[in-house]
Amino acid sequence: DVVMTQSPLSLPVTLGQPASISCRSSQSLVYSDGNSYLDWFQQRPGQSPRRLIYRVSNRDSGVPDRFSGSGSGTDFTLRISRVDAEDVGVYYCMQGTHWPHTFGQGTKLEIK
Amino acid sequence: EVQLVVSGGGLVQPGGSLRLSCAASGFRFSDYSMSWIRQPPGKGLEWVANINQDGSEKYHVDSVKGRFTISRDSAESSVYLQMNSLRGEDTAVYYCAGGGGGVWGQGTMVTVSS
Repeated sequence: DVVMTQSPLSLPVTLGQPASISCRSSQSLVYSDGNSYLDWFQQRPGQSPRRLIYRVSNRDSGVPDRFSGSGSGTDFTLRISRVDAEDVGVYYCMQGTHWPHTFGQGTKLEIK
Repeated sequence: EVQLVVSGGGLVQPGGSLRLSCAASGFRFSDYSMSWIRQPPGKGLEWVANINQDGSEKYHVDSVKGRFTISRDSAESSVYLQMNSLRGEDTAVYYCAGGGGGVWGQGTMVTVSS
């Protein structure tokens, strides 16, 4: 199985400051169609996960533009340009290129 | 409104069975692959099973192969997870998701315990 490794696992951030989460895969996520199926999910406390970013850098509908995704091959990053109080929760990367689809361990974002 | 409503969880003894249901509305169900994803209490996410748009291709993670079966009914706009031979390690919140994770249901708790 493809192992997804996130860092850091805990991310204390001051309101209004930027934040960044790294996600590395144990294999390349480039699929035969040329796309990389790397998504980012946010799970707020007590809620279902919500997809923020699909295929590395595409924001889902309704996701604030302060969220952005980048990367290629095996290294990917989620960036939040200015952290807001509503961003508190756990963030997961997930690869959908190889079966089984696998998630990272999760990064818990909290406000300092 | 795009919605997935999950039902069927509960407490079951080891070795028992449960059937989870997920009813979709607000989008063209037949256009989307559907999945079940679980989250043990206090832990991360695990992709359990996936079924393609017409039901011809199914995937189950190794830990549930031979015990769980995903299926779908286009007439009912629903996806199901039949869970047999349940074990303690299957205890989790089970989520239904559509379109590769673009839409999620509310989750249902499955507790396997004597």
